[in-house]
Amino acid sequence: AQSVTQPDIHITVSEGASLELRCNYSYGATPYLFWYVQSPGQGLQLLLKYFSGDTLVQGIKGFEAEFKRSQSSFNLRKPSVHWSDAAEYFCAVGAYNQGGKLIFGQGTELSVKP
Amino acid sequence: DSGVTQTPKHLITATGQRVTLRCSPRSGDLSVYWYQQSLDQGLQFLIQYYNGEERAKGNILERFSAQQFPDLHSELNLSSLELGDSALYFCASSSPTRSDTQYFGPGTRLTVL
Repeated sequence: AQSVTQPDIHITVSEGASLELRCNYSYGATPYLFWYVQSPGQGLQLLLKYFSGDTLVQGIKGFEAEFKRSQSSFNLRKPSVHWSDAAEYFCAVGAYNQGGKLIFGQGTELSVKP
Repeated sequence: DSGVTQTPKHLITATGQRVTLRCSPRSGDLSVYWYQQSLDQGLQFLIQYYNGEERAKGNILERFSAQQFPDLHSELNLSSLELGDSALYFCASSSPTRSDTQYFGPGTRLTVL
C-alpha cells in the first residue's frame, strides 16, 4: 500500500542553523512528491514538488528537497532557519492511479530557538 | 492566499446534528478535493470531484456526502455528527492542465460537543 513516513514528530533547531526534515515513501510507480507547510491556524501552503527530472528541487522560502529513488526518500532542507519557519511540515505523495488524491505523512512540527 | 475559499472558518455544533461546509475553488480549477485533519488520523483524503462528477473516494463515512455544483463550488455535508468528527476539514483544488498540484484552502474547524 502507498504510504508516507515522516520519522520525526518534532524537531527543534536554533535560528540560523541548518534544517533537514526526513520523508520516506512507499509507492509502486514513479511518485509525484510534495512538501506542504502549515502554520498555526492556517491552511496548507505548497513549498515544493517533484515530478521528474532534476532530483534536487527548489521551492519557496529558501527550501529545497532531494529525491533519492534508491532510498525512497524526499528530504526537505534549508541552510539557515528563520524564526518564521516554525510550523508543521507535511510530506505527501500523489496517488494518481487513485484519482489524484494526496497521501500525507503524519507531519513534523518544527520549533525554532532564538 | 491560495485562492481557495472555505466557509465557515469555525463551526461548533452538537452530536446528532448536520452541518454543511462550503468550498470555492481557484478560478479556472475544475477539481475539488476534501480532506479531514484530525489528531489521531492525520490528514486523510475524503473525496474528489471533477467538473461536477465524483472522481475518487477515500475514507469517507456513509454519514458524509459531498457534491460539486455547476458553478464549481463544492459542499461537504456531515450528518449524525459524533464527537470523533471534530476535525479540521480542508478543501483543495487543481487545474485541468496541472491536475497533479493541489492548492489548499484555509480549512473549516468543526467542533462537535
